[in-house]
Amino acid sequence: SYELTQPPSVSVSPGQTARITCSGDALPKKYAYWYQQKSGQAPVLVIYEDSKRPSGIPERFSGSSSGTMATLTISGAQVEDEADYYCYSTDSSGNRPFGGGTKLTVL
Amino acid sequence: QVQLVQSGAEVKKPGASVKVSCKASGYTFTSYDINWVRQATGQGLEWMGWMNPNSGNTGYAQKFQGRVTMTRNTSISTAYMELSSLRSEDTAVYYCARACYGCYGMDVWGQGTTVTVSS
Repeated sequence: SYELTQPPSVSVSPGQTARITCSGDALPKKYAYWYQQKSGQAPVLVIYEDSKRPSGIPERFSGSSSGTMATLTISGAQVEDEADYYCYSTDSSGNRPFGGGTKLTVL
Repeated sequence: QVQLVQSGAEVKKPGASVKVSCKASGYTFTSYDINWVRQATGQGLEWMGWMNPNSGNTGYAQKFQGRVTMTRNTSISTAYMELSSLRSEDTAVYYCARACYGCYGMDVWGQGTTVTVSS
């Protein structure tokens, strides 16, 4: 089955840039999506189709993809950005896994 | 506003089935796929499958093939996910989520339904 790999945790100080990576063999041909999930809440889509930002998502959230790696970047991370972040994608067989999730700490 | 409202919490015994509903409002129900995602306590998100409410076509994750059924009632804009042969490992929060138009991502999520499997 298809797997997406994320680092378990990333830690930054407020105002710094946080980068969360997601690796997967099908990413050169398939889009990556990113979700933010705060404790006890449903996930929120923050990036779709590698780099597009839904309305209402702050400009400090951006995405990129190159080769087998997609990256979520939070420029000037704020305390309220502390959450779990999940990448999501698909492969040619129709599998649609989430990455294992990355816990972002901002302190 | 666009929203998905799910049915309430369920407690089931091992071997039983559970059916969770997801009522859509604020948009044309048949125009967007519905996905189901679950999350066990303290664990990550797990995609279960998708359904096209217009055609009824479905696609299930291999792990759930044979145990999950996704259906809909277009007259009341409601999607359903039924999971059978429940075991303790199926204890989780189950979410329905609308796929964004023309893409795989999910832009609107239900509030989640807790399913507890316990003898």
